[in-house]
Amino acid sequence: QKEVEQNSGPLSVPEGAIASLNCTYSDRVSQSFFWYRQYSGKSPELIMSIYSNGDKEDGRFTAQLNKASQYVSLLIRDSQPSDSATYLCAVNNFVTNTGNQFYFGTGTSLTVIP
Amino acid sequence: DAGVIQSPRHEVTEMGQEVTLRCKPISGHDYLFWYRQTMMRGLELLIYFNNNVPIDDSGMPEDRFSAKMPNASFSTLKIQPSEPRDSAVYFCASSLWTSGSDEQFFGPGTRLTVL
Repeated sequence: QKEVEQNSGPLSVPEGAIASLNCTYSDRVSQSFFWYRQYSGKSPELIMSIYSNGDKEDGRFTAQLNKASQYVSLLIRDSQPSDSATYLCAVNNFVTNTGNQFYFGTGTSLTVIP
Repeated sequence: DAGVIQSPRHEVTEMGQEVTLRCKPISGHDYLFWYRQTMMRGLELLIYFNNNVPIDDSGMPEDRFSAKMPNASFSTLKIQPSEPRDSAVYFCASSLWTSGSDEQFFGPGTRLTVL
């Protein structure tokens, strides 16, 4: 079982709609959760981090974390064509004696259709 | 801040040659990570350093790969000898570990092609 799993997509939504991206993780000790956006040919760019259960909002982006279900999601409201990219979910299982155990999912490709 | 700097941005070499990739982390960051990204395997963590000390190199694929961090502002990833299957984009990332924050920031990457 992979540490972090995402639906690879592609996910297509019309402009102005809400895009919902989902991610599950396997290790219950996971403490930090991140969403990165990666445009084709570019490096991953951090867009959201979340550390506690519930919702965290930043502009058009909302990250949702449910540790009991080992589930983290990203909602993009009022989707724009410029949001078309691959979205990577990442978790960090920080363990005192061994340090960071940082895992990335394989990414979900999102296309926003004008 | 200039962000994470990587060089070269592109590297084309022939099988068997030595390749050295370079990274300058964000000033003040105490963690440095090396990743490899391919279409087949996605983003893989190769090795990471904390305060210039290698902490976990379990992701390094073979002995042909080695990484060093001689000081807080410089790290190298070396492949010797290189093979075609090493072709990938190699990213360096850095972070500052503080209470409640361990976000990583990525450099632009080095696209390596081994012929």
